[in-house]
Amino acid sequence: DQQVKQNSPSLSVQEGRISILNCDYTNSMFDYFLWYKKYPAEGPTFLISISSIKDKNEDGRFTVFLNKSAKHLSLHIVPSQPGDSAVYFCAAGSGGSNYKLTFGKGTLLTVNP
Amino acid sequence: DAGVIQSPRHEVTEMGQEVTLRCKPISGHDYLFWYRQTMMRGLELLIYFNNNVPIDDSGMPEDRFSAKMPNASFSTLKIQPSEPRDSAVYFCASSRLAGANEQFFGPGTRLTVL
Repeated sequence: DQQVKQNSPSLSVQEGRISILNCDYTNSMFDYFLWYKKYPAEGPTFLISISSIKDKNEDGRFTVFLNKSAKHLSLHIVPSQPGDSAVYFCAAGSGGSNYKLTFGKGTLLTVNP
Repeated sequence: DAGVIQSPRHEVTEMGQEVTLRCKPISGHDYLFWYRQTMMRGLELLIYFNNNVPIDDSGMPEDRFSAKMPNASFSTLKIQPSEPRDSAVYFCASSRLAGANEQFFGPGTRLTVL
């Protein structure tokens, strides 16, 4: 039973345009969400996060939106750059004493020059 | 600062052999996590430690898998005996504070069991 789902295995966009990566979750106990980026032969690296008390968090070209009622979050990259080409993982966790993260299967983003 | 260090980066072994993967977390980090990545199941948490103590090993697939953290700067994940279905990339990650969101990942060990 996948609690965090990234339904698009891949996404291709043109340089300079917006990339939108989507993520859905089923567990209502999740109260913080993260996006990680992964290049080939490297470990995932943290990109941006959002707490459930917010609906938007922005960091430079990256913005994460959270819709709690729909149990949906998205990552917007504007403008997209070829160096953004990577696999993007959505992850979710719950507070308290549980520090586990549940990851989606990832979306491969390709930004074409 | 050095990041999370994992060794070996690649391991090829034959079915039935013992495999030991090693991890050195970032100094000062209290939490250490072992993950496995496969095409079918994505990135799965196997086990995590807090202050060298195993907290949750519910993700460990079976008794052939074991993990230890003898001190704050070293952890091992052992598979004995290994099977072809254990072939995957194994990541170690560490984080600093209780409840901190961000985990820092090592480069991973690609394990192939023939």
